[in-house]
Amino acid sequence: EAQVTQNPRYLITVTGKKLTVTCSQNMNHEYMSWYRQDPGLGLRQIYYSMNVEVTDKGDVPEGYKVSRKEKRNFPLILESPSPNQTSLYFCASSLLPGETQYFGPGTRLLVL
Amino acid sequence: AQSVAQPEDQVNVAEGNPLTVKCTYSVSGNPYLFWYVQYPNRGLQFLLKYITGDNLVKGSYGFEAEFNKSQTSFHLKKPSALVSDSALYFCAVSPYGNNRLAFGKGNQVVVIP
Repeated sequence: EAQVTQNPRYLITVTGKKLTVTCSQNMNHEYMSWYRQDPGLGLRQIYYSMNVEVTDKGDVPEGYKVSRKEKRNFPLILESPSPNQTSLYFCASSLLPGETQYFGPGTRLLVL
Repeated sequence: AQSVAQPEDQVNVAEGNPLTVKCTYSVSGNPYLFWYVQYPNRGLQFLLKYITGDNLVKGSYGFEAEFNKSQTSFHLKKPSALVSDSALYFCAVSPYGNNRLAFGKGNQVVVIP
């Protein structure tokens, strides 16, 4: 089944404790992206990747890192999480930029 | 930079009545336009898109959207709403060939039995 998977689905952590949210797609898509969803703000893009080893900032990259060492994986790293990063995070992928994006199920993060 | 406006926070409609969710956009050049739907505790699901061609686009679950270049709008419509259509709907825009997708804030649709 074609899908985007994220882990974990739910995460509670404390300020400053490094964490990684994994994202994997099995559709051989070139383009992958991370978004955060906050009430009243919709989805905002954090980082995106055009291909392996090619990443770029989205609209709200501060406090986040990403890597794209393999085509299928695009982990999101929070080196020192803060409470304002409490949010619902989505990973997405598409065959090419500008094409239909397929979304993962989301990761709900609470930073205390 | 591209942007999307979804002016209404919530749309209430009686089951069986027509449903309209409004979206206007701002973008340089020709737009790629999308509608996505989010059911509770789920990721976003693709409904339909406009890239080029006929201004009336048909999508999943009986939804359609009309691209209006002069009004820079891409309203989502369904002739007869179902209770199961109750969800959060997002409009999104990307300039042609661009790698950035801008989402609106979303519209909560509530279909009343």
